[in-house]
Amino acid sequence: GEDVEQSLFLSVREGDSSVINCTYTDSSSTYLYWYKQEPGAGLQLLTYIFSNMDMKQDQRLTVLLNKKDKHLSLRIADTQTGDSAIYFCAKGGGADGLTFGKGTHLIIQP
Amino acid sequence: ETGVTQSPTHLIKTRGQQVTLRCSSQSGHNTVSWYQQALGQGPQFIFQYYREEENGRGNFPPRFSGLQFPNYSSELNVNALELDDSALYLCASSFGRDEQFFGPGTRLTVL
Repeated sequence: GEDVEQSLFLSVREGDSSVINCTYTDSSSTYLYWYKQEPGAGLQLLTYIFSNMDMKQDQRLTVLLNKKDKHLSLRIADTQTGDSAIYFCAKGGGADGLTFGKGTHLIIQP
Repeated sequence: ETGVTQSPTHLIKTRGQQVTLRCSSQSGHNTVSWYQQALGQGPQFIFQYYREEENGRGNFPPRFSGLQFPNYSSELNVNALELDDSALYLCASSFGRDEQFFGPGTRLTVL
């Protein structure tokens, strides 16, 4: 299977919380990242966590890591229309580069 | 602080031709990585340059090559273009193994 897997679509109502999930297969110590990509644009780094951490919070963003299940999630509080984008989970870095999932399309309903 | 820039924005080539894409890294960064993003897919790692040397490579054939210059800017060269090379090519800069910051990308279309 893929090294990094994500659901393809997530639809939420404006003002609700969005939770985007990611699973990965490699259990070695590494950094895990969340990137945001808007239509026709490059990738914007949102946040990252090292694999020995459980949680990281940064304003509206909360990252949770379950090391046992190799499961990473990104929670966006109070989702707004400007959050509509594709969100990519990625792991690794360094000379081996980043390994990305296929991305989750976040759709905001008014 | 200037972010990562890439040129050109868009490019159209025909099969068999060669192409050169350019990337200027963010101020203070010494490492450049290149990725290929096909439509509907996540980016795939092509290679990374550190101190003007290739120090890591993904699963791409040798017709994908690159350079890094003393000012840490970089080029990606693709020879003998194929239709499947049509994609968004993304450059990312970092300070060593630190987090990578991406440019806006170059959209390559091969006809």
